[in-house]
Amino acid sequence: AQTVTQSQPEMSVQEAETVTLSCTYDTSESDYYLFWYKQPPSRQMILVIRQEAYKQQNATENRFSVNFQKAAKSFSLKISDSQLGDAAMYFCAYRRTINDYKLSFGAGTTVTVRA
Amino acid sequence: EAGVAQSPRYKIIEKRQSVAFWCNPISGHATLYWYQQILGQGPKLLIQFQNNGVVDDSQLPKDRFSAERLKGVDSTLKIQPAKLEDSAVYLCASSESDRGYEQYFGPGTRLTVT
Repeated sequence: AQTVTQSQPEMSVQEAETVTLSCTYDTSESDYYLFWYKQPPSRQMILVIRQEAYKQQNATENRFSVNFQKAAKSFSLKISDSQLGDAAMYFCAYRRTINDYKLSFGAGTTVTVRA
Repeated sequence: EAGVAQSPRYKIIEKRQSVAFWCNPISGHATLYWYQQILGQGPKLLIQFQNNGVVDDSQLPKDRFSAERLKGVDSTLKIQPAKLEDSAVYLCASSESDRGYEQYFGPGTRLTVT
């Protein structure tokens, strides 16, 4: 079974600053997907960014970017120019590309944005 | 496009009682997932449907949990009888197909068992 580890229970960032969230995972597969989801207090889980393991280029979505280190099985999320609306719980998730399509989530990191 | 709908949003019951949650996925989405999210943890898959068939229910406590997806659209998750440890948020998600990488989540149902 795949395991996803988020070692930072909480992170705090000043508005307009940058914060990086860590995620490591364990798998024997060579191809898979990695995701970062955002869950605000309303509980609606929203996809922030995804990365296909076969792509070497790091994914970017506006102010959100990832640092994907396949050999190290590391997948960090960088939030640039942090905004108050970025405050939420962030989950790292893993999914295989064949046979088993369920998402395996980490425990989450709570991000607080200081005005 | 309407999102994934869930009801109720909140439910409080006593242990040993029964409870049911309802989910209406995005129109046309063949795959439906139920996740359990215990406070302070990430969501854990309980059951996955492809149309009206079960694809994965390996983590569903079948002695007390049941789920169905009638006609491959709406789904109901039931707990009978509930235990204290069932207190959690129950999230429903859907995707276009089982290979569709993006799962769209509903707002969840927060269950408190006292």
